[in-house]
Amino acid sequence: DAMVIQNPRYQVTQFGKPVTLSCSQTLNHNVMYWYQQKSSQAPKLLFHYYDKDFNNEADTPDNFQSRRPNTSFCFLDIRSPGLGDAAMYLCATSSSPGTGYEQYFGPGTRLTVT
Amino acid sequence: DQQVKQNSPSLSVQEGRISILNCDYTNSMFDYFLWYKKYPAEGPTFLISISSIKDKNEDGRFTVFLNKSAKHLSLHIVPSQPGDSAVYFCAARTNDYKLSFGAGTTVTVRA
Repeated sequence: DAMVIQNPRYQVTQFGKPVTLSCSQTLNHNVMYWYQQKSSQAPKLLFHYYDKDFNNEADTPDNFQSRRPNTSFCFLDIRSPGLGDAAMYLCATSSSPGTGYEQYFGPGTRLTVT
Repeated sequence: DQQVKQNSPSLSVQEGRISILNCDYTNSMFDYFLWYKKYPAEGPTFLISISSIKDKNEDGRFTVFLNKSAKHLSLHIVPSQPGDSAVYFCAARTNDYKLSFGAGTTVTVRA
């Protein structure tokens, strides 16, 4: 089945220690997104790639970076995690332009910062 | 600034009855609206959508209604089933490919 995969599902890191979350997709979608979701809040878009073009949201902290080495993979790097970065990180994909506007989500990575 | 709001964090309904989830938005440029369903330990999955040129879209037990003048949409689930217990997110897009999400409503269907 075509899908969006996120690894690891749970990640524990220490305050200030760099961490990388990964996302892969078999849907061959050209757009990939990273969202941060804190408890009982809306998923917040951090940035997205439209093909190889990186698009950062205006309020995304510089501490968050992303890489997309190819169509299938996308990485979220947190350079110096703080306690406030503990959250669920969701990766999503979509096909644009397309007939629908749905995004397809992975199961998420739960990040804990100690 | 939250452009999509789901003001009811939770909803409890008896099996077989109707579930009505509400969503309000502030951006009049939104042209497409979606509902997502999320089970614990899984990512959100697409449920149903509606274009701003329509006022109703139905798919089986799920119907979405859009009131553009009120900037309000709702999701009706009839009849509600135990498997419908999940978190439901409302989302909206402008003329690009990004979505703005609400904070979600947790639905619990009681047997």
